Amino acid sequence: SAVISQKPSRDICQRGTSLTIQCQVDSQVTMMFWYRQQPGQSLTLIATANQGSEATYESGFVIDKFPISRPNLTFSTLTVSNMSPEDSSIYLCSAAADSYNEQFFGPGTRLTVL
Amino acid sequence: AQTVTQSQPEMSVQEAETVTLSCTYDTSESDYYLFWYKQPPSRQMILVIRQEAYKQQNATENRFSVNFQKAAKSFSLKISDSQLGDAAMYFCAYRSGGLNYGGATNKLIFGTGTLLAVQP
Repeated sequence: SAVISQKPSRDICQRGTSLTIQCQVDSQVTMMFWYRQQPGQSLTLIATANQGSEATYESGFVIDKFPISRPNLTFSTLTVSNMSPEDSSIYLCSAAADSYNEQFFGPGTRLTVL
Repeated sequence: AQTVTQSQPEMSVQEAETVTLSCTYDTSESDYYLFWYKQPPSRQMILVIRQEAYKQQNATENRFSVNFQKAAKSFSLKISDSQLGDAAMYFCAYRSGGLNYGGATNKLIFGTGTLLAVQP
């Protein structure tokens, strides 16, 4: 299994600003993912972070709002841009060794936008 | 498109008793995987158990076992000898299996979750 850390663990931000969330894995992984979990809701996949190429976004999520970087096989960032109160959620990073292995999750980042 | 349904928003069990959480799914695929994840108040998602659709034998991990009914598209989780530390939100999740079905993407589809309370 992989151990995944996220920074920050929580933040309170003002409307219109941006926040970058970092995700660090303790081993090299092929696949990294970003999820959003709105209050009391299930997890929704935002995008798959691809190393060396652009992220693959799910329907309803766009690169301008959620730019993602994946500079190497152990690290990824998600930026939540031009935030509004509707962006208040928990953002989770996950990773898998390859296409067929289980995903392991980070502890999440709780974001509150005022 | 695949869907995952958890019809029990909340469940409660007495410590040391057994509880079963329900999950149904819809898919036209024959090759897929099913998972149960646990999310305690700390928010850390923890993989509890995994089932491959091609396996007839139900998966078991210590006190956790599943009842996988492929024809009925049902995948329930049984927790035996419940402990206080089992209190959490439990999510059922689906993932396509083979490459022909997009398995290479490793995308998980989650149900809405069941909040389990364990009473001392």
